[in-house]
Amino acid sequence: DQQVKQNSPSLSVQEGRISILNCDYTNSMFDYFLWYKKYPAEGPTFLISISSIKDKNEDGRFTVFLNKSAKHLSLHIVPSQPGDSAVYFCAASANGNQFYFGTGTSLTVIP
Amino acid sequence: EAGVAQSPRYKIIEKRQSVAFWCNPISGHATLYWYQQILGQGPKLLIQFQNNGVVDDSQLPKDRFSAERLKGVDSTLKIQPAKLEDSAVYLCASSFRTGYSPLHFGNGTRLTVT
Repeated sequence: DQQVKQNSPSLSVQEGRISILNCDYTNSMFDYFLWYKKYPAEGPTFLISISSIKDKNEDGRFTVFLNKSAKHLSLHIVPSQPGDSAVYFCAASANGNQFYFGTGTSLTVIP
Repeated sequence: EAGVAQSPRYKIIEKRQSVAFWCNPISGHATLYWYQQILGQGPKLLIQFQNNGVVDDSQLPKDRFSAERLKGVDSTLKIQPAKLEDSAVYLCASSFRTGYSPLHFGNGTRLTVT
C-alpha cells in the first residue's frame, strides 16, 4: 500500500530555471511532511519540512507547498543549479510517527 | 556535529548466512530508526527505538531480523538467515525526539545476498 507517491521518476531542468518536484499522499491523517535529497552512495539528506498548519515553507532556494485538500505537496527549487542533481524523496507522517517515503524523483540540472 | 555513523559500508554474503549492521546515532538523539531501501523504492521502516525501547517494529520480519539498542545509544540490526530478497541498502537514522522532528540518515550499508 503506497501511501506516498512520486509519479515522476525523473525530471530534467536547465540551470537557472525552476525545478518542481511533486508528491501525492493518500492518508488524510498525515500532518508532517519532509523532503530529502540523495546523492549516489550516500544517505538521504534532510532538506525542508512543513507541518499541516502551514501551506508554504521557504528555506533559501527551496520552497515546499502543501495543498491539504488535494493531498499534494511540491518542492520548488529556484534557481536550479547543477549541484542540485540528485534523487529527491518526499516523506510523510502522522503525529510525527512512522514516516512513509515516496519512490523518489531523479532530478538532472543541465548546465 | 558528527552525523549518523554506520558500518560496514558494503557486505556480500551467501543466502542462509547471517550478517550484522551497526549504527551510532547523532549525540543526544533519542529516537533511532532502521530502514530498508530496495533498489528503485523509497526507504521502508523496519524498526523504531525511543531511547532503548521499541516504539514500532510492525514491519520487521521477526523470524529472521532482530535489532537492539543497548544503553539507548548504539544499535545493531541482524539478519539470520539471509535470503536473496534481503539485498538492499540498510539505512540508520536518528532524530532529536519522536514527533515532528526530521530524521537524519547515515550513509547506509549495501547488502548483497548471493
